[in-house]
Amino acid sequence: GAVVSQHPSRVICKSGTSVKIECRSLDFQATTMFWYRQFPKQSLMLMATSNEGSKATYEQGVEKDKFLINHASLTLSTLTVTSAHPEDSSFYICSAIGGLAGEAQYFGPGTRLTVT
Amino acid sequence: GDSVTQMEGPVTLSEEAFLTINCTYTATGYPSLFWYVQYPGEGLQLLLKATKADDKGSNKGFEATYRKETTSFHLEKGSVQVSDSAVYFCALSNAGGTSYGKLTFGQGTILTVHP
Repeated sequence: GAVVSQHPSRVICKSGTSVKIECRSLDFQATTMFWYRQFPKQSLMLMATSNEGSKATYEQGVEKDKFLINHASLTLSTLTVTSAHPEDSSFYICSAIGGLAGEAQYFGPGTRLTVT
Repeated sequence: GDSVTQMEGPVTLSEEAFLTINCTYTATGYPSLFWYVQYPGEGLQLLLKATKADDKGSNKGFEATYRKETTSFHLEKGSVQVSDSAVYFCALSNAGGTSYGKLTFGQGTILTVHP
C-alpha cells in the first residue's frame, strides 16, 4: 500500500519550452501533495504544498508563475515548469499524505529534468 | 522553527559492522519522527517512524527510538549489508496548524558499505 507514482521518470526539453510532471497516489486518496526539488548530494527542498481543489502554497523564493501546480483530484497533482531554463534542471520529487495526524509522507520515484 | 540535525557523512563501513547515524531535533509540541532512505536515482522510501515519546520504530533490521528527553532519534542497525548503501534522511512532522504534514529534513547521511 501507499504507492506514489511519477511520470515521466526522465525528460529532456529545450530551453523556453514547458514540461509537465504528473504525481499520482495509486492506492490511497491524497488530501495533500508536496513537491520537492533536490540538487545532487543535497537534501530535499520543499517547493510547494497542494491540497485538492485549492491553490498551492509556495515556499518562500519559489516562483509560482514558473512552477505551476494543479491538484485536480485526490489522486493526481501536476507540476508544470514553464519556460524552462538550464538552471531548472534538477531532480523533482513529489510526495503525498492521506490526512491522518502523524502520518508519513509517501514519495514518488522522482523525475529527472534536463533543460538543454 | 523546527529543525533536524544529522551526523555528518559520509559514513563508510565494512559488511556486518554496526551502524549508528545520529539525529537530533528541535521542535515545538509533539512531532512525529521518521527515517527515510534514498537509493541512487530514486525517490525516498519510508524506512521507519515513531509518533510519540519512547516509541521504537523498526524495519529491515533498522531501529530508532524516539527520545524526548534528549530530543534524539538515532538510527541503528546491528549488521549492515552492501545493499544498505544509500542516503539516509531523518525528518520530523508537526501535525498542527498551517505546517500540517510538512516534513523538516536533516541534511542526509551517505552510507557506503564495502564487502
